[in-house]
Amino acid sequence: DAKTTQPNSMESNEEEPVHLPCNHSTISGTDYIHWYRQLPSQGPEYVIHGLTSNVNNRMASLAIAEDRKSSTLILHRATLRDAAVYYCILGVDAGNNRKLIWGLGTSLAVNP
Amino acid sequence: ETGVTQTPRHLVMGMTNKKSLKCEQHLGHNAMYWYKQSAKKPLELMFVYNFKEQTENNSVPSRFSPECPNSSHLFLHLHTLQPEDSALYLCASSQEAGVNYGYTFGSGTRLTVV
Repeated sequence: DAKTTQPNSMESNEEEPVHLPCNHSTISGTDYIHWYRQLPSQGPEYVIHGLTSNVNNRMASLAIAEDRKSSTLILHRATLRDAAVYYCILGVDAGNNRKLIWGLGTSLAVNP
Repeated sequence: ETGVTQTPRHLVMGMTNKKSLKCEQHLGHNAMYWYKQSAKKPLELMFVYNFKEQTENNSVPSRFSPECPNSSHLFLHLHTLQPEDSALYLCASSQEAGVNYGYTFGSGTRLTVV
């Protein structure tokens, strides 16, 4: 299965931008890149996803490398509520095999 | 407030009990999923339903039995579970089954098998 590699943990300061990296060197041409986050005692929350082009929404931006072997989730201005585990996930789309391949994520701490 | 509601939030059951987990969504989504989240392990996909039809069973033991009576409701029936089945069980939904859609997750049911 295609997999992603993320740092175990990162730290940021409130009101500063955060860049969360992800490597996915075995990505296939039809695989999507998804990001979710999970706060304690809650289910994962969708953040953003994309295929080839950079994507922006109200929560974050997704920057995808030209060769698609890595991507970066950008939180433009971190708040204390952004402290969570962030998962970079490949959405595998291969015929009848279509599913999200989860890793262990990056635990983000935000300092006041 | 999540668009996917799971009940109960917590469940403790003995190995000989039978219980059911319930999931409900009113997002108009046509695909629903059951996932298992164990400590220190990635989320594991268990079952996928698309337009009420089961499209994936990810080699899940028969002691877990899903049911999808309509596109808004999903159940997971549990019987003769083992202690290693203790985990957070998450329900999710998406517009359709596939990876070009964002998934909406519920808060999960924390299951403890004693």
